Amino acid sequence: AQKITQTQPGMFVQEKEAVTLDCTYDTSDPSYGLFWYKQPSSGEMIFLIYQGSYDQQNATEGRYSLNFQKARKSANLVISASQLGDSAMYFCAMSDLNSGGYQKVTFGIGTKLQVIP
Amino acid sequence: SQTIHQWPATLVQPVGSPLSLECTVEGTSNPNLYWYRQAAGRGLQLLFYSVGIGQISSEVPQNLSASRPQDRQFILSSKKLLLSDSGFYLCAWRDGGTGIRDEQYFGPGTRLTVT
Repeated sequence: AQKITQTQPGMFVQEKEAVTLDCTYDTSDPSYGLFWYKQPSSGEMIFLIYQGSYDQQNATEGRYSLNFQKARKSANLVISASQLGDSAMYFCAMSDLNSGGYQKVTFGIGTKLQVIP
Repeated sequence: SQTIHQWPATLVQPVGSPLSLECTVEGTSNPNLYWYRQAAGRGLQLLFYSVGIGQISSEVPQNLSASRPQDRQFILSSKKLLLSDSGFYLCAWRDGGTGIRDEQYFGPGTRLTVT
């Protein structure tokens, strides 16, 4: 069974600094995908970044990058130049195929990030 | 562009009452649709997913059910709510078909409180 672990319940970062949110995963499938989502206080889940298990390079999307270390089964999210609007819950998630061949996504419990002015 | 709607936004229901939450997607066809529940301070738990009209798969046995009467409509229901059904319910869609890559896009959610 796949599992996602986020060990940081809360993080603080100074505005304009970089921050790393940790995520480790466990799966026996060779093909899987890793996602990060942001959930502001409004509740909506916002897709941030995707990394495939066979991707050779770390994914980047603007100020977001995913530090993918396959051997260590980690997929940490790095946010550069933090902004006040980055304050939110951040969820790591993993997708693989269920027995029916369709995507199944498992989410971690999240990390609450607070950006300090 | 694609949009996803959920209603109602908030709901307070007594134990034992029925439930119907609706989700609709615009701007796409034959999407895969998902219902998730998020308990306070927790991650998302997948409840149901659907790959087509009338095709529903349940991930967790419970007193909830789902239906997909139209291509872009997904309904979550219960005949009798339990206190443990309280939570934040999120509907999501992705492009239809198989594959692990496509990200899911979420609706604004429904906050359900069972009293």
